[in-house]
Amino acid sequence: GESVGLHLPTLSVQEGDNSIINCAYSNSASDYFIWYKQESGKGPQFIIDIRSNMDKRQGQRVTVLLNKTVKHLSLQIAATQPGDSAVYFCAEIPPYGQNFVFGPGTRLSVLP
Amino acid sequence: DTEVTQTPKHLVMGMTNKKSLKCEQHMGHRAMYWYKQKAKKPPELMFVYSYEKLSINESVPSRFSPECPNSSLLNLHLHALQPEDSALYLCASSQEGLGLPYGYTFGSGTRLTVV
Repeated sequence: GESVGLHLPTLSVQEGDNSIINCAYSNSASDYFIWYKQESGKGPQFIIDIRSNMDKRQGQRVTVLLNKTVKHLSLQIAATQPGDSAVYFCAEIPPYGQNFVFGPGTRLSVLP
Repeated sequence: DTEVTQTPKHLVMGMTNKKSLKCEQHMGHRAMYWYKQKAKKPPELMFVYSYEKLSINESVPSRFSPECPNSSLLNLHLHALQPEDSALYLCASSQEGLGLPYGYTFGSGTRLTVV
């Protein structure tokens, strides 16, 4: 289930289940989005990206969905594994912007 | 080489000390960044260098002083820090300033503790 901690929402899933991590972005004119994974003690790592002219993009075990109508981005992880445990950030490039704006992040905890 | 290397990994410094964080990349990226990350928070942009010139300073206090000696190196000089400056400092690089098409490559960060 999903719970909101002091600052960081947490999603707990059973190993082998599918995970869905959600993100609401701020600017309806943003045209590029990225999902990052950050493991403990490491920097953010690129997972998958999507441009605003697409609504779905698939990678290896991951899918990103973009709903521009409600400014919503989601990351789906198939057959979640213990190694997927991390904090996941969405990031957007606003229009006329030069740099990413990160979302607040979600901690994914994979239960054995 | 597809990495951004940051040194040191951990740093403890007093409020009167002067120290420097270092970042290096050999991917030919022309934009480099410093981010600050507090616990349970997303990274916050501090500085952007594009083609070795400072292009963005996000109103960072002057006790943080960035330097880009060449296209592969980025330093962050620290002086007279406060305990609230304790955080993970991340360096990143990208092919161009817009971070397209693959976003930024981040280093593993320097965990800074100010005592």
